[in-house]
Amino acid sequence: EPEVTQTPSHQVTQMGQEVILRCVPISNHLYFYWYRQILGQKVEFLVSFYNNEISEKSEIFDDQFSVERPDGSNFTLKIRSTKLEDSAMYFCASTREGQGGMGYGYTFGSGTRLTVV
Amino acid sequence: GESVGLHLPTLSVQEGDNSIINCAYSNSASDYFIWYKQESGKGPQFIIDIRSNMDKRQGQRVTVLLNKTVKHLSLQIAATQPGDSAVYFCAESASGTYKYIFGTGTRLKVLA
Repeated sequence: EPEVTQTPSHQVTQMGQEVILRCVPISNHLYFYWYRQILGQKVEFLVSFYNNEISEKSEIFDDQFSVERPDGSNFTLKIRSTKLEDSAMYFCASTREGQGGMGYGYTFGSGTRLTVV
Repeated sequence: GESVGLHLPTLSVQEGDNSIINCAYSNSASDYFIWYKQESGKGPQFIIDIRSNMDKRQGQRVTVLLNKTVKHLSLQIAATQPGDSAVYFCAESASGTYKYIFGTGTRLKVLA
């Protein structure tokens, strides 16, 4: 079964440093997403991406965040200057249809745990 | 161990019993609803979905019920198994948006 692949699985970074989280969505999917989950809390929407541009973003996704699809397979989330409160699990997701197709929704990756120290 | 953050409601059921997990959603414009299962250290895994023009949908051992009048969603798991132990989230989405809004989550513990 196709998977969304995220690397690295765990990233530790110093406060103020830039991090890039990487994702390889499912190959025939067209819509890409980043969500985050602070430990013990619910999953929160960050951004959606379609046709090489941001479709929608949340208030969490401020100027410190950016996304890019640098080639036909990767989808990245960059945090320019990390803060302690950016520590969370970051999930990438993809789907063929914008809202998620009936019977399968989004496919999420296993996540990258970001720890800012 | 437990960390700071939202305290998840927990449902404990005996193996073999049926489980019912409830969710109240917030947006009356939401027209697509999904249940996800999240095991420790993993991403959310799709279980079942339903659109707002339906009030019930069945899958393998799972049933989702939707009550739009009171904005309530439930997930029923038949013959609960140890492998069902996880946190279950409902999520809602509205046409014209690309995001899911996740609920708080319920931890399901299956007792042997």
